[in-house]
Amino acid sequence: DSGVTQTPKHLITATGQRVTLRCSPRSGDLSVYWYQQSLDQGLQFLIQYYNGEERAKGNILERFSAQQFPDLHSELNLSSLELGDSALYFCASSPTLAGVYNEQFFGPGTRLTVL
Amino acid sequence: AQTVTQSQPEMSVQEAETVTLSCTYDTSESDYYLFWYKQPPSRQMILVIRQEAYKQQNATENRFSVNFQKAAKSFSLKISDSQLGDAAMYFCAYKHIAGGTSYGKLTFGQGTILTVHP
Repeated sequence: DSGVTQTPKHLITATGQRVTLRCSPRSGDLSVYWYQQSLDQGLQFLIQYYNGEERAKGNILERFSAQQFPDLHSELNLSSLELGDSALYFCASSPTLAGVYNEQFFGPGTRLTVL
Repeated sequence: AQTVTQSQPEMSVQEAETVTLSCTYDTSESDYYLFWYKQPPSRQMILVIRQEAYKQQNATENRFSVNFQKAAKSFSLKISDSQLGDAAMYFCAYKHIAGGTSYGKLTFGQGTILTVHP
């Protein structure tokens, strides 16, 4: 158990819908990262937040957005869902901006299925 | 942009034998970290081993060791005395150390599925 929690574990929804994935980092971790794992694209970095501020952006679609709240939990919002958005979405956290020893601790992931 | 390539989609090994997983990367940076992550069927991402680019000595963690060749931009993982529990997808990952807009970004390879035969 990494200490990072993600809810829900599974999510099934229809095309065009909007969903919110939630992540609680390890206690004391200030950085939160979101990754998408799909068959087509592999594991891709989406976005990073540090202490409430966006700090790095990857291949995140405009239909996707994220935020980190004052209690440091983070939410990833996916809208106008398409079949291709079906994937495993990971959240990871680290204590600092770049991570102690540069390690990120991964949550168990949220499996999103778009029908 | 940095890229990570794992040229072996699948590998297999007999229990108690040794297997090596390959990884190459492309970067113009001189300071970075390299990682191997394991993803078992549970889908949890587990850090196996890390290597700092400025260190010449290869990292080892129990039965896991790496062969880091900085000039060749190669970072292979050797698993000794393979166990059934080693069966998983293994990902090689790169991270630039500091600066710019890529503070914490991990760039992953495509993964190698390792099967361990009893």
